[in-house]
Amino acid sequence: EAGVTQSPTHLIKTRGQQATLRCSPISGHTSVYWYQQALGLGLQFLLWYDEGEERNRGNFPPRFSGRQFPNYSSELNVNALELEDSALYLCASSFKDRGDDQPQHFGDGTRLSIL
Amino acid sequence: AQSVSQHNHHVILSEAASLELGCNYSYGGTVNLFWYVQYPGQHLQLLLKYFSGDPLVKGIKGFEAEFIKSKFSFNLRKPSVQWSDTAEYFCAVNAFSGGYNKLIFGAGTRLAVHP
Repeated sequence: EAGVTQSPTHLIKTRGQQATLRCSPISGHTSVYWYQQALGLGLQFLLWYDEGEERNRGNFPPRFSGRQFPNYSSELNVNALELEDSALYLCASSFKDRGDDQPQHFGDGTRLSIL
Repeated sequence: AQSVSQHNHHVILSEAASLELGCNYSYGGTVNLFWYVQYPGQHLQLLLKYFSGDPLVKGIKGFEAEFIKSKFSFNLRKPSVQWSDTAEYFCAVNAFSGGYNKLIFGAGTRLAVHP
């Protein structure tokens, strides 16, 4: 069974640019989650999509946004990039996120570097 | 707001030493609890989880964790660590509220095991 796949593996941008990160969930999973793993801050929840809708978002500014497509894959968009956006962005997926349909399965992440 | 605290950011042990990593959370409602592990160069993997029932849960590779509800704690233990346990360990709490849930991670504990 293919796991959660993320692309690209590495992404280098400059301040003010926009970045798009992609995630394909495990087949059959309808929920996709995005996390930011910044140095020294651990994992922070960014966004949760389920069946095409944004269900919840973490404490991040509106320039962090995303969407989920009909095939349940997802994009994370970060506009007006800032230096502190440099981090590893992890995507996770699970079955419809109610009750005991955890745990989430994680991808390898996209390392975003802002120069 | 919900939060997860991991008391030790860095732990250094010799092989065969016993391990206990602390995790406390702040949330008064229903929770599911997890420990994830990230080996160097790899993605996050589930170590063990607690949903209900016996508060002492056993995971992979000889790890176990005990849920103490009165202390809002879910400490990870292993009686005898190996060099291969060198990794970063994340405690996570899935907090349920109002029909949605959010997975909240601690900042992580880096464990280095010396042979």
